[in-house]
Amino acid sequence: GAGVSQSPSNKVTEKGKDVELRCDPISGHTALYWYRQSLGQGLEFLIYFQGNSAPDKSGLPSDRFSAERTGGSVSTLTIQRTQQEDSAVYLCASSLEGGRETQYFGPGTRLLVL
Amino acid sequence: AQTVTQSQPEMSVQEAETVTLSCTYDTSESDYYLFWYKQPPSRQMILVIRQEAYKQQNATENRFSVNFQKAAKSFSLKISDSQLGDAAMYFCAYKVGSNYKLTFGKGTLLTVNP
Repeated sequence: GAGVSQSPSNKVTEKGKDVELRCDPISGHTALYWYRQSLGQGLEFLIYFQGNSAPDKSGLPSDRFSAERTGGSVSTLTIQRTQQEDSAVYLCASSLEGGRETQYFGPGTRLLVL
Repeated sequence: AQTVTQSQPEMSVQEAETVTLSCTYDTSESDYYLFWYKQPPSRQMILVIRQEAYKQQNATENRFSVNFQKAAKSFSLKISDSQLGDAAMYFCAYKVGSNYKLTFGKGTLLTVNP
């Protein structure tokens, strides 16, 4: 079956602009995760959605970052007023459920803020 | 806090030879999972192998196997009969049993020489 898909593959934006990154999880997966991969910080957890439960936003680095998941499927990560330090690869993953299930990753979106 | 350490930033191996990538972790938990993920230049994070801490038997997946030393908190990955397609960044990751947050090491860049 289809894996996790993300769009766009690459995004270049100017400092101060807003960006939206999209993730389409594996069909049937109820849990969805966002991670950020940057040279300085490695891979960091950002946010977790499980079914209709309130998301765990504890990894979001600032209030400029937000995410939503509509209809329990597609998720959008929004970064407002982008800064150069937001430049990174944003990875989305999904799993059958949360907790013990293995997470399967998408190809990521590379964001470059000029 | 749990930490994952990969002490080898880069490794190289000749095609058809065997290579071992090191990973150590620090935790006070007894119920946890360990993973090796592979990230080729395409950025897609691919699950290589998964190990449940309660299992004494080392996990294997074709040419990939782990040496799980629970007391030493060590989780190394052995790649046998290395192939050019094995060239990638390899990440060791840890997760507490019922938790969903993956903690990643900094990665090891593996080069396979023809």
